[in-house]
Amino acid sequence: DAMVIQNPRYQVTQFGKPVTLSCSQTLNHNVMYWYQQKSSQAPKLLFHYYDKDFNNEADTPDNFQSRRPNTSFCFLDIRSPGLGDAAMYLCATSREAGGYQPQHFGDGTRLSIL
Amino acid sequence: AQSVAQPEDQVNVAEGNPLTVKCTYSVSGNPYLFWYVQYPNRGLQFLLKYITGDNLVKGSYGFEAEFNKSQTSFHLKKPSALVSDSALYFCAVRAYSGAGSYQLTFGKGTKLSVIP
Repeated sequence: DAMVIQNPRYQVTQFGKPVTLSCSQTLNHNVMYWYQQKSSQAPKLLFHYYDKDFNNEADTPDNFQSRRPNTSFCFLDIRSPGLGDAAMYLCATSREAGGYQPQHFGDGTRLSIL
Repeated sequence: AQSVAQPEDQVNVAEGNPLTVKCTYSVSGNPYLFWYVQYPNRGLQFLLKYITGDNLVKGSYGFEAEFNKSQTSFHLKKPSALVSDSALYFCAVRAYSGAGSYQLTFGKGTKLSVIP
């Protein structure tokens, strides 16, 4: 089945130690999104790629970066994680960026900071 | 700005009874509305959407939603609740994010508990 896969499902890192979360998709969708979700709150969009074009949300901290080397893969880099960055990180895709098609979500990576 | 509101943090319903999860919206222009469900430690799953057309939208797992323009509401409904419907439900609206792209703005979520 075509899907969005996030690895790892659980990630533990130390305060200030860089960490990378990965997302891959077999849907061949143009758009890939990264969300941060804390404690059963609404997902908060960090940024998205439309093909190779990167779109950063205005309130996304500089500590968060992203890379999309090809259509299938997208990475979330947290350069110096703080305790407040502990959360579930969700990757999602959509065929186009028009907002009228549903987004397909991975099962997330739960990040813990020691 | 486009937004949705889910007035209930939690909804409890007995198995077999009808369920309703409420959502109201505030948009300029025509609303594009969505419902997603999230089970514990899982990502969000798309249930249904309203773009245009019939006000009653049918979706996955027997869910449906009614778009009501006069009341600016898009409530999620199911005629007979199952214990397996217990989850976190998010209403969302399309919002313009610039550079020709749109994003989803989510409500805060409603936790549905179906009691056996």
